[in-house]
Amino acid sequence: EIVLTQSPATLSLSPGERATLSCRASQRVGTHLAWYQQKPGQAPRLLIYDASSRATGIPARFSGSGSGTDFTLTISSLEPEDFAVYYCQQRSNWPPTFGQGTKVEIK
Amino acid sequence: QVQMVQSGAEVKKPGASVKVSCKASGYTFTNYGISWVRQAPGQGLEWMGWISAYNGDTNYAQNLQGRVTMTTDTSTSTGYMELRSLRSDDTAVYYCARDDSGLSYFDSWGQGALVTVS
Repeated sequence: EIVLTQSPATLSLSPGERATLSCRASQRVGTHLAWYQQKPGQAPRLLIYDASSRATGIPARFSGSGSGTDFTLTISSLEPEDFAVYYCQQRSNWPPTFGQGTKVEIK
Repeated sequence: QVQMVQSGAEVKKPGASVKVSCKASGYTFTNYGISWVRQAPGQGLEWMGWISAYNGDTNYAQNLQGRVTMTTDTSTSTGYMELRSLRSDDTAVYYCARDDSGLSYFDSWGQGALVTVS
């Protein structure tokens, strides 16, 4: 199965700063990659699909890029509600797999 | 709007079985399937398997084959996930998510159901 490795494990930033999260796949996945946000006690929420398309209702400060094995989620200017855990997920090869997550915490 | 409402928390003893339900609304149930994803305390997300609500086809994660069964009831737009021979490391929040193919993105999720094995 495809292993997704996210880095860093934790990102400590202040509101208003730019966040850059990385996801690396063990095999090429084309652009078949999504990003999710999860807050404590809540289900994950789809942010980005097909590497760079924003899901319905997702603010423009969230953007995704990449293809093949290297992907990036960028939050251009952190809002207080953006501090959460972010997961990447691939749907290129069965089974679908998730990265281990990056926690974005308040510095 | 799309909603997926799951059954409540359960406490089970090792060796027992649990069955979690997921009632869908706001879309044509048989046009999609349901994936189940679990999350152990403080850990990441693990895909467990998928069922088509159209024809009942299933795909299960290899590590759960033989212990998990997923079903649907199209008359009530409800999906079910049964896990047998429970162990302590099955303690997790179990989520259902809408999934059209078994290899897709998950655009709508249930609220989660905590299953504690102790």
